[in-house]
Amino acid sequence: QLQLQESGPGLVKPSETLSLICTVSGGSISSSGYYWGWIRQPPGKGLEWIGTIYYTGSTYYNPSLKSRVTMSVDTSKNQFSLNLSSVTAADTAVFYCARRSGELAGAFDIWGQGTLVTVSS
Amino acid sequence: DIQMTQSPSSLSASVGDRVTITCRASQTISSYLNWYQHKPGKAPKLLIYAASSLQSGVPSRFSGSGSGTDFTLTISSLQPEDFATYYCQQSYSIFGQGTKLEIK
Repeated sequence: QLQLQESGPGLVKPSETLSLICTVSGGSISSSGYYWGWIRQPPGKGLEWIGTIYYTGSTYYNPSLKSRVTMSVDTSKNQFSLNLSSVTAADTAVFYCARRSGELAGAFDIWGQGTLVTVSS
Repeated sequence: DIQMTQSPSSLSASVGDRVTITCRASQTISSYLNWYQHKPGKAPKLLIYAASSLQSGVPSRFSGSGSGTDFTLTISSLQPEDFATYYCQQSYSIFGQGTKLEIK
């Protein structure tokens, strides 16, 4: 059974870069038709799509975050990652990684448990 | 950029009620619309994909409809475990702002 697990620092200082990794287990990140995404939820707010990546490295970013977001994939480790630069307190959120299925019209069908990242000095 | 607007933002209902949540896209998105259920401390759960297809394992009391710009999620008979926040999502990208379903 496919599982996703987020990992990374729980505390990041303002103006620094937030870096997270999502490890995929129970299946291959290189499977055709599946993309991999990051979604966040600030405290008390709704879900926000950050971006999506294919195993080939093709990326799609939320226009509102595009200038600060970089995603990459490491197929040898079955991982993909998120870098969010120049963070502020407004970037404090629970970050989820998820699988996007082409078979399900691009829906995110499998999610990680989420990891809280706090931006504070 | 496409915007997704849900209504209502919050809703109070009782066990056994029929509930409908709407989602409107700022431009046509065909049937590229998904619905998720989100409970505190848990990962979001996919309920409906492609506007009206029920995800495997999801109870049949959940249904979705619509195409173009207007979509609905209906819960035919609310169960205690259904009280949560519901989000629509344009396939491949953005989410609506959410609808919090609370117990009356």
